[in-house]
Parts: sequence; C-alpha cells; structure tokens
Amino acid sequence: SAVISQKPSRDICQRGTSLTIQCQVDSQVTMMFWYRQQPGQSLTLIATANQGSEATYESGFVIDKFPISRPNLTFSTLTVSNMSPEDSSIYLCSVEDRVGTEAFFGQGTRLTVV
Amino acid sequence: AQKVTQAQTEISVVEKEDVTLDCVYETRDTTYYLFWYKQPPSGELVFLIRRNSFDEQNEISGRYSWNFQKSTSSFNFTITASQVVDSAVYFCAYYGLTGGGNKLTFGTGTQLKVEL
Repeated sequence: SAVISQKPSRDICQRGTSLTIQCQVDSQVTMMFWYRQQPGQSLTLIATANQGSEATYESGFVIDKFPISRPNLTFSTLTVSNMSPEDSSIYLCSVEDRVGTEAFFGQGTRLTVV
Repeated sequence: AQKVTQAQTEISVVEKEDVTLDCVYETRDTTYYLFWYKQPPSGELVFLIRRNSFDEQNEISGRYSWNFQKSTSSFNFTITASQVVDSAVYFCAYYGLTGGGNKLTFGTGTQLKVEL
C-alpha cells in the first residue's frame, strides 16, 4: 500500500491569506486527488491532480480558489487561496495506483480560518 | 448519477454488542466497486475493504464482516463484539467504471460510539 505524507497536519490562518498543502507519496502513482471534508460532513472531491497538465476540477471548485500543482508522479500541492472562515475544513490527499484499486489517503490537513 | 446513502447518522452501542452499519447505493453502472473506510477522531481515512460488482461473496476479517447484496443494492458492514477502539465515523463509498466518472462518491458517514 502507498504511504502518503501530508503537510501541514493542521494550521490556523487569518482570513484573506493563502495556505499551500503538500502531499508526498512513497511510490509513483497514476492518480492523485484532493478532497475537502467540512465539519461533520462527508468527503467532497475538489479535483484530480494531473501530472504535467492542469488539474480537473469538480463542479463548484475553481482553479483560482484552489490552484493545484503536480510536477511529478509522487508529489502534489493544493493551495487554498484568499481564505474565509467557510474554508475551515479537513483537506485530504488521496492516491490510487490503478483504476478501481483502493484509494489511500493522507492523514489530512485540519485548517481553521479565523 | 451515482448515490450512496448511509441512513444511520449516529449509532451508540455498549461494548461487546454487535452492530451493523447500513449502506445503500444507486447506480446504472454495470461495473463498479464499493468501499468502506474508517475515520477515527485523528482524522485520517483508513481503508477497510473493497468489493467489485461481480463478487457477491460475503467477507469476514476478524470481527468485521461485510454483506454485499446486489439485488437490494446494499453493502452492509457488521462489527461483532464491538470495542471502544471501534468508535469512529465509517464511510461507505462507490466507484463506478462505466459511468461513474472514475472517482469515489462517499456516503454521509455513520458515527459509531462504543461505550463501556
């Protein structure tokens, strides 16, 4: 199984600022994803991070707010831009090696915006 | 569109009781996968099981068992002799290959509280 390291594990940020979350995998993976989990809610897919090209965003999420990078097959970043208290959530990175295989998740980044 | 329903928002049991967490899904896909994940208070998501749509055999792993019934579109999860360490939020998830957009769709989760 893939081992995923996500940084930071938690942060408290001022509104109007931006935070970049890093996701590092211990092996090359085909698919990387970013999810948001608002307090007490389920997980919602933000986007699929594509290696070498622009991320594919789900309905309701835009690149200006959540820019994503994926420079290689083991690393991705998600930036939460111009934060507001509504962005307070857990953000999770996940990877799957082949279509339909189990998706492995990082430990999440618990973000609080004040 | 695919949909995953976990009707039980919260369940409380006393340690050593058996508990079943329900999961019902809706799909028009012919090929798909179903998953269960555990999310303890620390926040990480722990993979428990994956089942594909062509394999309806029930599975047992220690105190955990899963019952997949394609006829009722259900994939229920039973914990036998529950323990306090089982307290967590459990998510059922769906992954469709033919029309599911190749992404996981999660249910709303069931909060399980196991008390002494």
